[in-house]
Amino acid sequence: QVQLQESGPGLVKPSETLSLTCSVSGGSIENLHWSWIRQAAGKGLEWIGRVFTHGSTLYSPSLASRVTMSLDTSKNQFSLKLTSVTAADTAVYYCAGSFGYFNHWGLGRLVTVSS
Amino acid sequence: EIVLTQSPGTLSSSPGERATLSCRASQSVTSNLVAWYHQKPGQSPRLLINGASSRATGIPDRFSGSGSGTDFTLTISRLEPEDFGVYYCQQYGRSPWTFGQGTKVEIK
Repeated sequence: QVQLQESGPGLVKPSETLSLTCSVSGGSIENLHWSWIRQAAGKGLEWIGRVFTHGSTLYSPSLASRVTMSLDTSKNQFSLKLTSVTAADTAVYYCAGSFGYFNHWGLGRLVTVSS
Repeated sequence: EIVLTQSPGTLSSSPGERATLSCRASQSVTSNLVAWYHQKPGQSPRLLINGASSRATGIPDRFSGSGSGTDFTLTISRLEPEDFGVYYCQQYGRSPWTFGQGTKVEIK
């Protein structure tokens, strides 16, 4: 049973960089693709991007200029960096494992952008 | 990008009733690569259906998915109390992967 756990600061100042890590347990990080998805309060789900098992990435065009994702197979972790954040980036951030559809989800990490 | 429009926005139903949720895509979804999720308040979404009609592991058979091209449907044959919440469709046939805005299923 694959389990995912997000970690990172819950409060980020405007214009700074949001950084989150997802730790994968119960399975190898090399067996799936890994995505970040976010959800603003009371809103729907927004796919941010994914990192493939060999390390290549694909990002949503709306966020691509500010997003970087990476994979650390030695730690069974993957990460998200989102630069130049504003209040509009305040959301619950989920990490997820996928074959295209998302069959493994973390519990989510609320990140608030505020000074 | 492919825009997914879900209807209705809110569905008020009673336990035991049948629920039919719709997801319409702005263009044809490659190989009908559509998934459905259920989210309860304060929880992560849970995968119900992938490939438009394949139930995920452990999902009861009262959930069924159908459709092709641009029109997809999730049917819950007999609503149980734990089925209330928000349902999302998602397409993964073409990047960027996108979600519908959700259908809220509430108790009448």
